[in-house]
Amino acid sequence: DIVMTQTPLSSPVTLGQPASISCRSNQSLVHSDGNTYLSWLQQRPGQPPRLLIYKISNRFSGVPDRFTGSGAGTDFTLKISRVEAEDVGVYYCIQGTQFPRTFGQGTKVEIK
Amino acid sequence: QVQLVQSGAEVKKPGASVKVSCKASGYPFNRSTMHWVRQAPGQRLAWMGWINAVDGNTKYSQKFQDRVTITRDTSASTAYMELNSLRSEDTAVYYCAVGAFDYWGQGTLVTVSS
Repeated sequence: DIVMTQTPLSSPVTLGQPASISCRSNQSLVHSDGNTYLSWLQQRPGQPPRLLIYKISNRFSGVPDRFTGSGAGTDFTLKISRVEAEDVGVYYCIQGTQFPRTFGQGTKVEIK
Repeated sequence: QVQLVQSGAEVKKPGASVKVSCKASGYPFNRSTMHWVRQAPGQRLAWMGWINAVDGNTKYSQKFQDRVTITRDTSASTAYMELNSLRSEDTAVYYCAVGAFDYWGQGTLVTVSS
């Protein structure tokens, strides 16, 4: 199974300041079709997860442009340019390149 | 708009089975795929398995392989996840999610307790 490792596990951020989350896989996420199936999910308190980013850097419908995904191969990053109160929650990376699908441990973003 | 509506919370005794449903609307269910994911208290999301609604093909996590069955009823646009031989560690919120995790159900809390 592909192991996904996120850092940090907790990220206290001042409102209006940036936040960055790293996700690393223990093997390349490049699929045989040439795509890299790395997504980012947001889970607000008490809510189901919500898709933010797919295939490394594509924002899903309705996702604000302050969320940016980047990376390649085994090393990926989610950046929030200016954290807002509604961004509080846990963020997960997930790989969709191989079965079984695997998630990172989650990074909790909270306001300082 | 896409909606996934899951069945309600369940309380089960150890050794019993639970079957959770996920009714889809707003997209062509019979041309899609559906994942099941669970979230135990304080733990990361865990992928359980997947079904291709086109042909019923399934894939399961080895962790749940011998206890989980995912099925679908295309006439009802509904996917099902059945988990057998329940134990206390299966207490969790179970989610369905369509496609590439584009949309998620609201979650179903399954509590396993004697």
